Amino acid sequence: DAEITQSPRHKITETGRQVTLACHQTWNHNNMFWYRQDLGHGLRLIHYSYGVQDTNKGEVSDGYSVSRSNTEDLPLTLESAASSQTSVYFCASSSSFGPSNEQFFGPGTRLTVL
Amino acid sequence: DAKTTQPTSMDCAEGRAANLPCNHSTISGNEYVYWYRQIHSQGPQYIIHGLKNNETNEMASLIITEDRKSSTLILPHATLRDTAVYYCIVRVPSSWGKLQFGAGTQVVVTP
Repeated sequence: DAEITQSPRHKITETGRQVTLACHQTWNHNNMFWYRQDLGHGLRLIHYSYGVQDTNKGEVSDGYSVSRSNTEDLPLTLESAASSQTSVYFCASSSSFGPSNEQFFGPGTRLTVL
Repeated sequence: DAKTTQPTSMDCAEGRAANLPCNHSTISGNEYVYWYRQIHSQGPQYIIHGLKNNETNEMASLIITEDRKSSTLILPHATLRDTAVYYCIVRVPSSWGKLQFGAGTQVVVTP
């Protein structure tokens, strides 16, 4: 069955380190998204991609970057981790076709920056 | 995308119908209403969407008022596993899948 996976599921890092969170989907979806969710808040969009070599900034993109070299993967990089980036990160993907645009979400990565 | 207003929380007895309201008074003609839910510690899950007609699938029913300024998500027979935060989102499909999540409604289903 098609799925979307994230790794690692839990990560503890130190301030100033570079961190990369992986997202892999086997739906063959063109659209991929990264969100963060902080305690007491809804999900906020960080970056998104509509296809290979396409990346776009979302609502809270400062301090994050993404690259899309193939359809299946959209890794999220924190260039220099900060304590404010402690959060749960969700990756999602969706098809480009039809009004549904149903997004399929991964299980999340819990990141702690000390 | 239009803004939505949902109650912060609601309780529902197991086996009863749960009716979740959403106000979207500024919705425009080409915007759809989407519902997602997020069970604790999991990624959000799509439930249903609609434009102006009522919709039903295996998970829920969506009732949209004639003026489209509000809608209700109905979980016909709530179970304990339906305890989750439910998000009502209004957007244009051509916004290419971007979702703007509000605070949602925390639904607690009790035995």
